[in-house]
Amino acid sequence: AQSVTQPDIHITVSEGASLELRCNYSYGATPYLFWYVQSPGQGLQLLLKYFSGDTLVQGIKGFEAEFKRSQSSFNLRKPSVHWSDAAEYFCAVGRSSARQLTFGSGTQLTVLP
Amino acid sequence: EAGVTQSPTHLIKTRGQQATLRCSPISGHTSVYWYQQALGLGLQFLLWYDEGEERNRGNFPPRFSGRQFPNYSSELNVNALELEDSALYLCASSLGQGATEAFFGQGTRLTVV
Repeated sequence: AQSVTQPDIHITVSEGASLELRCNYSYGATPYLFWYVQSPGQGLQLLLKYFSGDTLVQGIKGFEAEFKRSQSSFNLRKPSVHWSDAAEYFCAVGRSSARQLTFGSGTQLTVLP
Repeated sequence: EAGVTQSPTHLIKTRGQQATLRCSPISGHTSVYWYQQALGLGLQFLLWYDEGEERNRGNFPPRFSGRQFPNYSSELNVNALELEDSALYLCASSLGQGATEAFFGQGTRLTVV
């Protein structure tokens, strides 16, 4: 069975600082990997996705993520965080597509002025 | 283009009652997914409908059920409500086979008192 681990429950960074959110997955084959963001009381918005090819993927809002098969990781990064990035971030894995996703427990991001 | 729409936004029910939640997918999407986001439990997969058929269900009791209509909209029914059913219920939709992205609605906040 596939699983996703987000080891950091809560991260606090200052506005303008760089950000890295960690995600580790467990899956037998090459997974479909996603990062979603959720603002309070809202649904999920897709930031970026990885299926194959270039292991560094670019997403919306200046986010990027790197797939590292050897480490079973798909960490999310942003070079300079904005106050509007404060939200909860979820990493997810799909078995063979974007259907029926398994989500990590989420990382809550706080941005200090 | 309209996104995934869910209704109602909020729902308050008494323990033992039944709740019905509705979801309209993006036009052209044939798959609908339901997820439960309960406090402390993260996002858990509930049900997956595709082309009117239930394709898979998560580890939830039978009192969680649903259906998909010919226009691909979907309904989630929760019978014999329990306090722990209080959660944000998210609906997502995607294209069929080989879908590369799932789009989420804003959710229905169900409160059981």
